[in-house]
Amino acid sequence: EVQLVESGGGLVQPGRSLRLSCAASGFTFDDYAMHWVRQAPGKGLEWVSGISWNSRSTGYADSVKGRFTISRDNAKNSLYVQMNSLRPEDTAFYYCAKDAKGTIFGDYRNWGQGTLVTVSS
Amino acid sequence: QSVLTQPPSASGTPGQRVTLSCSGSSSNIRSNTVNWYQQFPGTAPKLLIYSNDQRPSGVPDRFSGSKSGTSASLAISGLQSEDEADYYCAAWDDSLNGPVFGGGTKLTVL
Repeated sequence: EVQLVESGGGLVQPGRSLRLSCAASGFTFDDYAMHWVRQAPGKGLEWVSGISWNSRSTGYADSVKGRFTISRDNAKNSLYVQMNSLRPEDTAFYYCAKDAKGTIFGDYRNWGQGTLVTVSS
Repeated sequence: QSVLTQPPSASGTPGQRVTLSCSGSSSNIRSNTVNWYQQFPGTAPKLLIYSNDQRPSGVPDRFSGSKSGTSASLAISGLQSEDEADYYCAAWDDSLNGPVFGGGTKLTVL
């Protein structure tokens, strides 16, 4: 059974940094692209970033480009996102999602339960 | 403002058939496949339909997807109270070079 477990969320002040992690199990992690998708409270889904199976290709939403960095460690079956210069509008549940193939496509077959990031002073 | 357009709400009565729409453009829906996700309050989204009309194992055949041109639809037949949820469409956008979502439709079962 595919399991994706996010961690690292919490309350952070504007301008500060936070690193989210996603621990994956139940599938061959290095066969698939992975993504971060977020959802502000009461709002819709927004793709944040994606990374190919071998980390050679990454993509970012314009809203986070230059501030967020996605990475993965296939040896540890883990996905990460380093979030810098956080803004109040980054407040959201952040979901880790598994793609259907190794390249970034946004076909989210499985999702984690999410971790809440709150950016506030 | 979402790239894909969905009506914010829809409703139906038990047993009824409802259709949810998703409108896009030539750079997303016309050129790429569409997925649908179901989300209950306080939970993570779940894949409902992939590749326009394919159901993952475990999804009842009451749910069906279709695509025509720059629009896609999700049909739910034999509506049940447990279908009350938010539904999102999604597709890759060639112009933005990334995946995009619709704003979601909140389905109410009356």
